[in-house]
Amino acid sequence: AQSVSQHNHHVILSEAASLELGCNYSYGGTVNLFWYVQYPGQHLQLLLKYFSGDPLVKGIKGFEAEFIKSKFSFNLRKPSVQWSDTAEYFCAVNAQNDYKLSFGAGTTVTVRA
Amino acid sequence: GAGVSQSPRYKVAKRGQDVALRCDPISGHVSLFWYQQALGQGPEFLTYFQNEAQLDKSGLPSDRFFAERPEGSVSTLKIQRTQQEDSAVYLCASSSRRDSRYEQYFGPGTRLTVT
Repeated sequence: AQSVSQHNHHVILSEAASLELGCNYSYGGTVNLFWYVQYPGQHLQLLLKYFSGDPLVKGIKGFEAEFIKSKFSFNLRKPSVQWSDTAEYFCAVNAQNDYKLSFGAGTTVTVRA
Repeated sequence: GAGVSQSPRYKVAKRGQDVALRCDPISGHVSLFWYQQALGQGPEFLTYFQNEAQLDKSGLPSDRFFAERPEGSVSTLKIQRTQQEDSAVYLCASSSRRDSRYEQYFGPGTRLTVT
């Protein structure tokens, strides 16, 4: 089974600051990687995903993530955050040919205006 | 179009009561998932359906938990004899393809509180 760890529980930033959220997973085989976001009062929605190809993937709202296979990492980045990026962010993994997602504990991001 | 819907959104049960949580997936989605999210944690997998077939129930924490999807669309998660440790948000997700790479679309969840 896979496990996912997110390094930061709560991050507080000012608008226009850069954001990087760490995600590491443990699994020896081929994986699919996802970042989901949950805005206040809303349901989980997909930010971006990686399953093959270019390890730098771009998602919605200016987010990107880089898959580093040797480090078992899939860190999420955004160069300049906005107040509307205040949300909880979850990294998730599933093994190739396995449907169930394993989630990290989540990182709450608070952006101060 | 309509997303995944769940009902009720909130449920308070007394310890020992049975509860039934409903999920309406996106129309036409063949894959359906249930997850349990405890406070301050990420969602944890409970069970997976492909159409009406329950292909994986490895995450169900005990035999008090039971899920069904008899016609391959709506699903119900039933918890018998609820315990306080069952208090959590129960999330349903659906996906259009039988492919692990495809996005799972999540519903708003049902927050269950067992008193």
